[in-house]
Amino acid sequence: RKEVEQDPGPFNVPEGATVAFNCTYSNSASQSFFWYRQDCRKEPKLLMSVYSSGNEDGRFTAQLNRASQYISLLIRDSKLSDSATYLCVVNPLGSNFGNEKLTFGTGTRLTIIP
Amino acid sequence: DVKVTQSSRYLVKRTGEKVFLECVQDMDHENMFWYRQDPGLGLRLIYFSYDVKMKEKGDIPEGYSVSREKKERFSLILESASTNQTSMYLCASSFLQGGNEKLFFGSGTQLSVL
Repeated sequence: RKEVEQDPGPFNVPEGATVAFNCTYSNSASQSFFWYRQDCRKEPKLLMSVYSSGNEDGRFTAQLNRASQYISLLIRDSKLSDSATYLCVVNPLGSNFGNEKLTFGTGTRLTIIP
Repeated sequence: DVKVTQSSRYLVKRTGEKVFLECVQDMDHENMFWYRQDPGLGLRLIYFSYDVKMKEKGDIPEGYSVSREKKERFSLILESASTNQTSMYLCASSFLQGGNEKLFFGSGTQLSVL
């Protein structure tokens, strides 16, 4: 089983719709979780961290389910500019450690259709 | 605006050539990383460094070496390039302290080895 698994998609979603995708992780001791966004032929950029209580940033909501070992990303009122690949990233170490153990999923490709 | 700069966007090299990929960051970050990104495999860590003159192997160091002579510069070296090293190479940097897992990536170098 891969350490971090994502549905590769592509998800083709009409503009204005709500879309959600999950990411599962295998190490139950994992401590920190993130979503990165990567535009076509560009570098990944941090979209948001994922906190235990769940967190929201505008149209984006991230959730963590430790019992089932997955994190999710929900995008409401999707825009054309949301088209990108979304990378799930897991750090099995606590926040007091470095980030050399960050494990990246292969990404979920999202295309918003006009 | 924070910046991680990779010296080349595209490189074409021949099998057996020695290849240098340069990365410079202007954020005074302690941590620097080299990843490669391949379709279906995600980002994989090649080498990382927490300080000048310091280097640690990542998950796939074979066939690579690195150099960190100055805090702002981290170089990846392919001693004798092979076709299986054709890939997108991404440099990243971050602060040393835990809780700052945000990685800042360079725009990447697409290396083709013929």
